[in-house]
This record gives sequence, C-alpha cells and structure tokens, in this order.
Amino acid sequence: DTGVSQNPRHKITKRGQNVTFRCDPISEHNRLYWYRQTLGQGPEFLTYFQNEAQLEKSRLLSDRFSAERPKGSFSTLEIQRTEQGDSAMYLCASSFILGTGVNEKLFFGSGTQLSVL
Amino acid sequence: DAKTTQPNSMESNEEEPVHLPCNHSTISGTDYIHWYRQLPSQGPEYVIHGLTSNVNNRMASLAIAEDRKSSTLILHRATLRDAAVYYCMDYRYGGSQGNLIFGKGTKLSVKP
Repeated sequence: DTGVSQNPRHKITKRGQNVTFRCDPISEHNRLYWYRQTLGQGPEFLTYFQNEAQLEKSRLLSDRFSAERPKGSFSTLEIQRTEQGDSAMYLCASSFILGTGVNEKLFFGSGTQLSVL
Repeated sequence: DAKTTQPNSMESNEEEPVHLPCNHSTISGTDYIHWYRQLPSQGPEYVIHGLTSNVNNRMASLAIAEDRKSSTLILHRATLRDAAVYYCMDYRYGGSQGNLIFGKGTKLSVKP
C-alpha cells in the first residue's frame, strides 16, 4: 500500500492554459475526493466519486473544472482556461466505504500545487 | 451544512498534554465527530472519530460531551511532530460536500 499518489507535485502555468492533474487512490478504495486548499484555509470540497460515478459537485465549482474517474480507478481533474484565482493546492483523498459509511476514513495525497501566472 | 468552531491557534510545551476544543453547534443525532490533522506541506490525515462515547487510539483520545455540542481532542504527551493544524468536523452520511466540511482548524504549536 503506497498511499494516495498525486501528480504532478507542482504545476506552473500561464493564465488561459488548460491543466490536468492525476490522482491514484489506494487500491480497492471505492471513493475518491477532490479538494482545493488556499493558504491559511481548510480544504474546500470540489467533487467526489463512488467507483466511476460522480456523486456530487460543489455548487461553487466553475464549469471550467471537470473531473473523471474512468473504470473507478485513477481520477483526473482538469481546469480549462486557468485564472490566477485558481492558484491553490489541489488535494485528492480516497476511502473505502461500506454501508452507511459511519466509519469512513479519508486518506489524502500530498497534493498538487498549482501556480497560475 | 454541519459546521464546527475551533480556536484559531494554541500553544503547548513538548511532553505536556494538549486539549484541543471544538464546538459542534449544528450537530445532529446521527452525525459522527471526526478529527483530522494536517502537518506542514502534507495532506490531512485521519486522527480519530466517535459518536457518543469517549474514544482512544494510538494517536489521541477523544472526549465527547454528553449533549454532543462539544468535543475535545487530547494528545497525552505532545511532541514536536504534533505541530499541525487540527480540524474537527461533523460527519454526516448523505450530507453535502462529501460528508465532511473542513473549517480553518486550530494551529497547534509545540515548543521544545
């Protein structure tokens, strides 16, 4: 078990460019979450999947953001036409949930730090 | 949405116990209380959770008030490696925002 892996660790891009991040969850984890975190703030929920189904997207999430989890394994988060306000740490987490999930524990990756110039 | 309130920061001395408080003003009867912490330059990590009874694990202890409107995370002997931001949350299965809503947390500093 190598934990949740996120790539790249750092990404610098110019405003208006598209970027894509990848998250490899812990194997056999059926849930996968994306969060965004800015300096001094707690992680902000973006979206999550159960297997390949995207169950929820934050209402604050712009149409420029899209996430996929094909075949219920790894996930990608794409940001189109990046803006300077998109600069943040993007965190991925995975979990295994059974039934009501009252004992769900999220395992986080180290994140991808995005800087939009 | 379930939200909690915590002090912005706390200080502790190394090898002394630390009590981190949390208020759960909007907690409902079926919500579990979860604590996570985030070490510098890392993603958050799970610490402990409980419903009504006090809980212990190798990392910490969780004390839950009888009315569940408050909880306290107890680190029995703080080490320098415990310096982190600690988040308390109400886990609401089927709730919005993926069941867990992170606030700003409490930044714990540990002095040698």
